[in-house]
Amino acid sequence: DIQMTQSPSSLSASVGDRVTITCRASQSISGYLNWYQQKPGKAPKLLIYTASSLQSGVPSRFSGSGSGTDFTLTISSLQPEDFATYYCQQSYSTLHTFGPGTKVDIK
Amino acid sequence: EVQLVESGGGLVQPGGSLRLSCAASEFTFSSFSMNWVRQAPGKGLEWVSYISSSSGTISYADSVKGRFTISRDNAKDSLYLQMNSLRDEDTAVYYCARDEYCSGGNCYGMDVWGQGTTVTVSS
Repeated sequence: DIQMTQSPSSLSASVGDRVTITCRASQSISGYLNWYQQKPGKAPKLLIYTASSLQSGVPSRFSGSGSGTDFTLTISSLQPEDFATYYCQQSYSTLHTFGPGTKVDIK
Repeated sequence: EVQLVESGGGLVQPGGSLRLSCAASEFTFSSFSMNWVRQAPGKGLEWVSYISSSSGTISYADSVKGRFTISRDNAKDSLYLQMNSLRDEDTAVYYCARDEYCSGGNCYGMDVWGQGTTVTVSS
């Protein structure tokens, strides 16, 4: 099975900061890597699919990159509504494993 | 509005069974692969199971293999998860989620999610 790791597990940042989260797969997943945002008590929301494609309606300050085993999610200028937990997830295999998550909170 | 609505959660004793349902609306359910994803209290997301649009491909996480069964009824626009031999560690909010697009086992992201149904396994 494909294992996913994320770093950091948490980070503190200020409004306006540039934030980068990394995700690594235990084997190559080509570009089948997705990013989700989850706020407390809510269902996850798809932000980025296939590594770099922005889901409809998602602000352009979110971007994704990478291929193979190493991927990044970047928030170019953090906004108050972006404080949340972010998960990567691989869909190269039908066993759609998630990373452990990165919690972004207010510095 | 495209929507998924889960039901069937509740309190069950260890070793018991429960069947979750997910009703889809405002999209062609039979064209999409579907998933169950869970989240234990205070924990991260855990993918549980996948079923292709025609039920031809089914996958399970190791943690539930042999105990949970995913199925779907395209005529009723519904997804199911039969959960047997439940354990304390199965306590979680269970979400159904739609794969936006799949081809040859490779999929895009899960773009539509339900609100979740809570399963509590406790004596």
